Amino acid sequence: EAQVTQNPRYLITVTGKKLTVTCSQNMNHEYMSWYRQDPGLGLRQIYYSMNVEVTDKGDVPEGYKVSRKEKRNFPLILESPSPNQTSLYFCASSLYLGNSPLHFGNGTRLTVT
Amino acid sequence: DQQVKQNSPSLSVQEGRISILNCDYTNSMFDYFLWYKKYPAEGPTFLISISSIKDKNEDGRFTVFLNKSAKHLSLHIVPSQPGDSAVYFCAASAGLTGGGNKLTFGTGTQLKVEL
Repeated sequence: EAQVTQNPRYLITVTGKKLTVTCSQNMNHEYMSWYRQDPGLGLRQIYYSMNVEVTDKGDVPEGYKVSRKEKRNFPLILESPSPNQTSLYFCASSLYLGNSPLHFGNGTRLTVT
Repeated sequence: DQQVKQNSPSLSVQEGRISILNCDYTNSMFDYFLWYKKYPAEGPTFLISISSIKDKNEDGRFTVFLNKSAKHLSLHIVPSQPGDSAVYFCAASAGLTGGGNKLTFGTGTQLKVEL
C-alpha cells in the first residue's frame, strides 16, 4: 500500500530533550516536506526537500532540523524542544516538483512540557 | 500575512443539500489550487485541484470553481453526505514558478453534514 508513515503518533517530552520524528514513504517520491498544524493557523511548512541531500527552509524553520540521506526517509529533528513547538506535525511527499498533490502521513501529536 | 484565507471556520449543512466552501487568496503568482479533506486523527487527503488556466473542475459530487479576477475559489459538494463531515483545507501553489512545490494552506473550514 502506497503510504507516508510517521512515528511516533504521540510524543510527550520535556523542554530541551532532543527528539526525532521519523517519516518514510514507499512511493519513490522525490519531494518531501514537513508541516505543523496549529489552531487558527492552518498548516505551515517547516522544511522541504526536493531530492536526496537537497533541503530548504519553509515558513517556520526555527528550532527544527531535517536531513535527506535516502530518498524514502525525511526525519524531523528538534535539538532542544520548547513548549511553543507543541503541535500536530505532518510529513508529506509528492512525485515531483511542480503541480503534484501532496500525500500526507497520519500526523504526530507532540507535547513539550 | 495569511496569503490563503478561509473566512468561515465552520459550516453546517443538511444531508442532500449543497455545501459551498470558500477560499480567498492574495498572491497573484498562485497558479494551482487544491482542496484537501481531513478527518480527525488522520492526515489531510487530496480531494480535487484546479489549474489557473481553468475556471471549473468537476469530479463526481465535487466541483471547484476559480475566479482569478476576484482571487477566489470555492468547493461545491452536491449532494452532501454525512461522510463529508470533515475539515476542508484550501491550498495554493505557485507551481514551477514558485519553486519547491510549496503549498500554502488556509486555516480550514469544519463542515458538518447533518441528517
